[in-house]
Amino acid sequence: GQQVMQIPQYQHVQEGEDFTTYCNSSTTLSNIQWYKQRPGGHPVFLIQLVKSGEVKKQKRLTFQFGEAKKNSSLHITATQTTDVGTYFCPVPHGSSNTGKLIFGQGTTLQVKP
Amino acid sequence: DGGITQSPKYLFRKEGQNVTLSCEQNLNHDAMYWYRQDPGQGLRLIYYSQIVNDFQKGDIAEGYSVSREKKESFPLTVTSAQKNPTAFYLCASSMILTSGGMRQFFGPGTRLTVL
Repeated sequence: GQQVMQIPQYQHVQEGEDFTTYCNSSTTLSNIQWYKQRPGGHPVFLIQLVKSGEVKKQKRLTFQFGEAKKNSSLHITATQTTDVGTYFCPVPHGSSNTGKLIFGQGTTLQVKP
Repeated sequence: DGGITQSPKYLFRKEGQNVTLSCEQNLNHDAMYWYRQDPGQGLRLIYYSQIVNDFQKGDIAEGYSVSREKKESFPLTVTSAQKNPTAFYLCASSMILTSGGMRQFFGPGTRLTVL
């Protein structure tokens, strides 16, 4: 079935270092979303990418959608302790309009101050 | 995300007991979802509902039941048939984005421990 793989599963960085997580789908996607879940918290929507090759920025966060619309990346410049959490890139379930999302394991980021 | 409440935050139950988790939203969203999250894992879909009085099984529905009698409410019952119920349960609702796709709003979650 449809899957989304994220790498790495865990990443430890020193505060101030950059961080990148990658998302790969087995199928071409209509869109891809990114969510952040703080430790002990719930996932919070960050952004949705729709267009091939799209790049969007939110302050220190840069999101990219691959040209083939099968992969995506999230890059954080100069990490801060507030960036700690798990980042998910769920993809739409098939072609249905149910709003169902398929979540992978996510990438858990730890930042050492 | 504001607008979705789940109660209680922590819940302890004895093995063999059914337990119902509450989920209420005031966002006027039609679609609602229940997920289960285990430590270090992603979210797995239990049930979802696109409209009142209708719901469908997700990927791991066995041992769970839901109802959708009101638009605002989507309670989840964890039955004694669920073999490993201890987990973090998240409720969500969704809205259509102007660019297409549906963004999900999550409640704060209920952490269920079965002793």
